[in-house]
Amino acid sequence: QITLKESGPTLVKPAQTLTLTCTFSGFSLSTSGVGVGWIRQPPGKALEWLGLIYWDDSKRYSPSLMSRLTITRDTSKNQVVLTMTNMDPVDTATYYCAHFLTGANYLDSWGQGTLVTVSS
Amino acid sequence: DTQMTQSPSSLSASVGDRVTITCRASQSISSYLNWYQQKPGTAPKLLIYAASSLQSGVPSRFSGSRSGTDFTLTISSLQPEDFASYYCQQSYSTPYTFGQGTKLEIK
Repeated sequence: QITLKESGPTLVKPAQTLTLTCTFSGFSLSTSGVGVGWIRQPPGKALEWLGLIYWDDSKRYSPSLMSRLTITRDTSKNQVVLTMTNMDPVDTATYYCAHFLTGANYLDSWGQGTLVTVSS
Repeated sequence: DTQMTQSPSSLSASVGDRVTITCRASQSISSYLNWYQQKPGTAPKLLIYAASSLQSGVPSRFSGSRSGTDFTLTISSLQPEDFASYYCQQSYSTPYTFGQGTKLEIK
């Protein structure tokens, strides 16, 4: 059974850096064809794809956020870390991580999400 | 980026109705189209992948189809637990963009 869980601060100040950790079980990020994606959803709004890290440590980012985003992994801890710099109130959202399978390219298991509020 | 235009944005229907939600891609995405269901306060759930493949455990009343760059999610007979929001997502090229969502409400 695949499970994922996001953790990190619930409140950050404008201009600060957000660091979120996705801790997962039930799969290995070293297995060919596997990835972990990050998606966010502002309150009452649509889902937004942020980025993806693959089994071979390659990464893809949303072009609109690429300058602010970094995704890294620690395969020994079964964790993926999202770092977003220069946070703004418009970045207030629920942040999700999800298990990704290449081939058909879909997100088949999601974490519960964590709400991050950006406010002074 | 590939834009995904989803319609309608909201829909009222009754239990037992047949419902169709459409997603149009701004360019060719082959069949790299996924559908997710999201209930309030919970994470999205994968329903359909590769345009028409039913994810394991998803009821057969859900189906997906493709015609060129137009994609359709159909619920053949609405059940009370189907009232939720639905999102399409293209996974042909990054960024793997989502549609704006369809909120399905009880009439």
